[in-house]
Amino acid sequence: AQKITQTQPGMFVQEKEAVTLDCTYDTSDPSYGLFWYKQPSSGEMIFLIYQGSYDQQNATEGRYSLNFQKARKSANLVISASQLGDSAMYFCALNSGSARQLTFGSGTQLTVLP
Amino acid sequence: SAVISQKPSRDICQRGTSLTIQCQVDSQVTMMFWYRQQPGQSLTLIATANQGSEATYESGFVIDKFPISRPNLTFSTLTVSNMSPEDSSIYLCSVGTGQQLQHFGDGTRLSIL
Repeated sequence: AQKITQTQPGMFVQEKEAVTLDCTYDTSDPSYGLFWYKQPSSGEMIFLIYQGSYDQQNATEGRYSLNFQKARKSANLVISASQLGDSAMYFCALNSGSARQLTFGSGTQLTVLP
Repeated sequence: SAVISQKPSRDICQRGTSLTIQCQVDSQVTMMFWYRQQPGQSLTLIATANQGSEATYESGFVIDKFPISRPNLTFSTLTVSNMSPEDSSIYLCSVGTGQQLQHFGDGTRLSIL
């Protein structure tokens, strides 16, 4: 069985500052992928960043980076230079082995303050 | 990345009726997934839909309630049958592309009166 845990129901950050959203995972499969999605209030799921279990370097996509600590089974999302438009729900997700379906965490509601 | 069109974007339905949600992809994909997101909750997988075979349902979801069709590699439908207020949710389809990535449609926001 696989599990994703997001322990921060809500986070606040000042505009232009960096913020880290926590995610820990559990899977017995050595091959897995970790994903972060953004869900604005309109409801669509926007893919942000992906990290494979065998990737040697932490993934980065523009202002998003993934702090992947394999031994600790954590995959935290770092958003640099926060913008008001970053206010949304953020979900961490996992798939493992040959299974492509995703298991989602409970999400973190991020609010960026002006 | 694949472009996914999901219809309708939202609907308000009477209890006891059924609604079919369509998911159209601009490229051929092997695997399509249907998720449900109840109010204030995370996403839960309903079923995996592969072309040419029966959908595979997750625990707690049954074909009679959520029949799925997958007639070709670019299209799938999910029907929510005999709806009750508990079915009020966002329903999302997603597709697996390339290197493990998954992309989602914009979702269908369903309210049952």
